[in-house]
Amino acid sequence: GQNIDQPTEMTATEGAIVQINCTYQTSGFNGLFWYQQHAGEAPTFLSYNVLDGLEEKGRFSSFLSRSKGYSYLLLKELQMKDSASYLCAVRDRGSTLGRLYFGRGTQLTVWP
Amino acid sequence: ETGVTQTPRHLVMGMTNKKSLKCEQHLGHNAMYWYKQSAKKPLELMFVYNFKEQTENNSVPSRFSPECPNSSHLFLHLHTLQPEDSALYLCASSQGTSGIEQFFGPGTRLTVL
Repeated sequence: GQNIDQPTEMTATEGAIVQINCTYQTSGFNGLFWYQQHAGEAPTFLSYNVLDGLEEKGRFSSFLSRSKGYSYLLLKELQMKDSASYLCAVRDRGSTLGRLYFGRGTQLTVWP
Repeated sequence: ETGVTQTPRHLVMGMTNKKSLKCEQHLGHNAMYWYKQSAKKPLELMFVYNFKEQTENNSVPSRFSPECPNSSHLFLHLHTLQPEDSALYLCASSQGTSGIEQFFGPGTRLTVL
């Protein structure tokens, strides 16, 4: 199976930078995803990493180290609207290609 | 606007009821998914359909019965559910099962009394 671990909760202040870590164990890694989910809403895609390194997309960046089974999502210039749950998900090569294994999510609260 | 719609948004049902959840995607995708999201638990994949064919059933109890009449529509038929089945049921779609991005619907909040 897959073990995906991320912190349950984090807090930060507006304008700050926050890093949400995710560690995973999988037998056939085939990509790591970050999703954002506001309360009562659908998860929305943020980023995808399949090779080592940093992917930057505006205020959000995602990093992957396959050898360490580790990823982080970096959020810069935090805004109140960034308060949400951030889901780390891993795709495994061994099963249906579309299957994603999700972590429990990190609830981020941004304070003014 | 995610392009994936789900109805109803909220559903309360008794354990002896039969109900159906509906999902429709307007994105031209050919893969559709049902997920279950319970409090304090990770999103769990239930079923995967690719070109209307079920490609994965993640050991889901038979009281959940999926139906995919075409690539745009996905149903989840419910009968004799248990209170522990209360959860948010999310539908998603992607361009093929190897598509990078899965687009999620807003979900149906199900309460089983």
